[in-house]
Amino acid sequence: EAGVVQSPRYKIIEKKQPVAFWCNPISGHNTLYWYLQNLGQGPELLIRYENEEAVDDSQLPKDRFSAERLKGVDSTLKIQPAELGDSAVYLCASSFPGQYNEQFFGPGTRLTVL
Amino acid sequence: QKEVEQNSGPLSVPEGAIASLNCTYSDRGSQSFFWYRQYSGKSPELIMFIYSNGDKEDGRFTAQLNKASQYVSLLIRDSQPSDSATYLCAVFTSYGKLTFGQGTILTVHP
Repeated sequence: EAGVVQSPRYKIIEKKQPVAFWCNPISGHNTLYWYLQNLGQGPELLIRYENEEAVDDSQLPKDRFSAERLKGVDSTLKIQPAELGDSAVYLCASSFPGQYNEQFFGPGTRLTVL
Repeated sequence: QKEVEQNSGPLSVPEGAIASLNCTYSDRGSQSFFWYRQYSGKSPELIMFIYSNGDKEDGRFTAQLNKASQYVSLLIRDSQPSDSATYLCAVFTSYGKLTFGQGTILTVHP
């Protein structure tokens, strides 16, 4: 079974530029998550999708971040414009809907904003 | 108070010893508990999960949960150098969010 796929793996941009990350979840996983992980910290949830619907985006900085999950499968996370403080690893995870919420992570995208 | 707190590291144990990783959480209504292993430069990998009070064993790993004390731990028996990584405790809270601790760095030295 293929795992969660993310691209690109690495991205270096200058501040104020836009950037986009793509995620393809494990087949059959209806729930998709985007997390941000800073060095030395645990992942922090940015947004959670149940199928096409964003059910928890309370931690997403909506002035510059946006996300979409068309057709309830792939998802894209966008930052526009990027700031120096956005440098981090952006992780996508997916899970079956259910009581116990076992989440599986993709390899992540390491973003560096110069 | 942080929602999920892990014992401060780094933790260093000799090869073959038992490594003990601890985690406390603040939301008494939390339902499920997870341990992820994260190698340097890699993404978190789910290694154990536990839902009920008591112990759950999987090979060299044992997860322990005490909901009354709001405490969850991970024991690694016969530690190997390949176990050296950051271990993340994650708690699925009553408000439907998986919340992570800051991680504990484990080093197993030969």
